[in-house]
Amino acid sequence: EAQVTQNPRYLITVTGKKLTVTCSQNMNHEYMSWYRQDPGLGLRQIYYSMNVEVTDKGDVPEGYKVSRKEKRNFPLILESPSPNQTSLYFCASRDNSFVVTEAFFGQGTRLTVV
Amino acid sequence: AQTVTQSQPEMSVQEAETVTLSCTYDTSESDYYLFWYKQPPSRQMILVIRQEAYKQQNATENRFSVNFQKAAKSFSLKISDSQLGDAAMYFCALGIYGNKLVFGAGTILRVKS
Repeated sequence: EAQVTQNPRYLITVTGKKLTVTCSQNMNHEYMSWYRQDPGLGLRQIYYSMNVEVTDKGDVPEGYKVSRKEKRNFPLILESPSPNQTSLYFCASRDNSFVVTEAFFGQGTRLTVV
Repeated sequence: AQTVTQSQPEMSVQEAETVTLSCTYDTSESDYYLFWYKQPPSRQMILVIRQEAYKQQNATENRFSVNFQKAAKSFSLKISDSQLGDAAMYFCALGIYGNKLVFGAGTILRVKS
């Protein structure tokens, strides 16, 4: 089954404790991205990757890191989480970086930073 | 810069009736795509319908259809014969060649039985 898998689905952590949210897709998609969803703001892009070893900032990259060492995986790293990073996070993948195709989303990760 | 505006934070519809969700967008690109995504309480993002900007014909998927007005930069979603399972948050999104998806703030749709 074609899917994007995020883990964990729920996470509560303390300020400053490094964490990683994993994302993996099994569709051989080139384009992967991370979004955060906040009430009244919709989904905003954090980082994206157009292919292996190619990543770039989205609209709200501060406080986040990503890496794309393999085509299928695109982890999101919070080196020193803060309460303003409490949000719902989505990983998404698309078939091709240069054609606007349907985006497939993971199940979401609800992160709470206390 | 691209923007997407959904001016209705919440909408209600009676079961079996029709409802229209509004979306306006702004872009300087001539080639782009527009999407409506549904997010039920499970949080999963589900593609409802997509529209290519170069196509004049409005997209339709079963009970879901769009009214795409390119000159007015408007992209509304019409849901006919509303069902309880249609209750969800709906996001309008703009996709640009080689770029990200830009989302609106979302509209919560409530369906009354």
